[in-house]
Amino acid sequence: DIQMTQSPSTLSASVRDRVTITCRASQSISNSLAWYQHKPGKAPKLLIYGASNLESGVSSRFSGGGSGTEFTLTISGLQPDDSATYYCHQYKSYHTFGQGTRLEIK
Amino acid sequence: EEQLLESGGGLVQPGGSLRLSCEASGFTFAKYGFIWVRQAPGKGLEWISDITSSGISTHYADSVKGRFTISRDNSKSTIYMHMNSLRAEDTAVYYCAKDRGHGMDVWGQGTTVTVSS
Repeated sequence: DIQMTQSPSTLSASVRDRVTITCRASQSISNSLAWYQHKPGKAPKLLIYGASNLESGVSSRFSGGGSGTEFTLTISGLQPDDSATYYCHQYKSYHTFGQGTRLEIK
Repeated sequence: EEQLLESGGGLVQPGGSLRLSCEASGFTFAKYGFIWVRQAPGKGLEWISDITSSGISTHYADSVKGRFTISRDNSKSTIYMHMNSLRAEDTAVYYCAKDRGHGMDVWGQGTTVTVSS
């Protein structure tokens, strides 16, 4: 099974800051990686697919990078509405989610 | 608008059974695979099962293998999760999601399952 290790587990930043979340796969997954935003009581929202492709309708402040085993999600120009938990998800072999990163906007 | 609507959650005793449903609308249901994901209280997202567009191939996480069964009815645009031998650790919000092949682009709002005596 492919394990996904996401860091940090929590993150606190200010409005207009830029933050980066990292996800590491236990083996190469090529670019079979997605990122989601999840707010309490809501459905998860797809942000990035194929490691670096922005989902239609998602703000360009979100960007993804990496391939193989190391991936990043960067959020620039933080807004209060970005407060949420972010998950990486590999779909190369079955499915695995990272543990999540809780982002707090100060 | 593409939508998924889960139903069937509720309170069940340990060892009991439940069937979750996920009804799709707004897209060609038969073209896509689907997954079930759950979130236990205070925990992250956990993939538990998936089914291909044909329904021929299914997969399960070790945590539910042998107890849960995923199925689909293309005539009703509905995905099901049959859950048997439920345990306290199965308590969670259960989401279904549409598999576009590169990420899950449509999610339901979730249905809550509570396993308790």
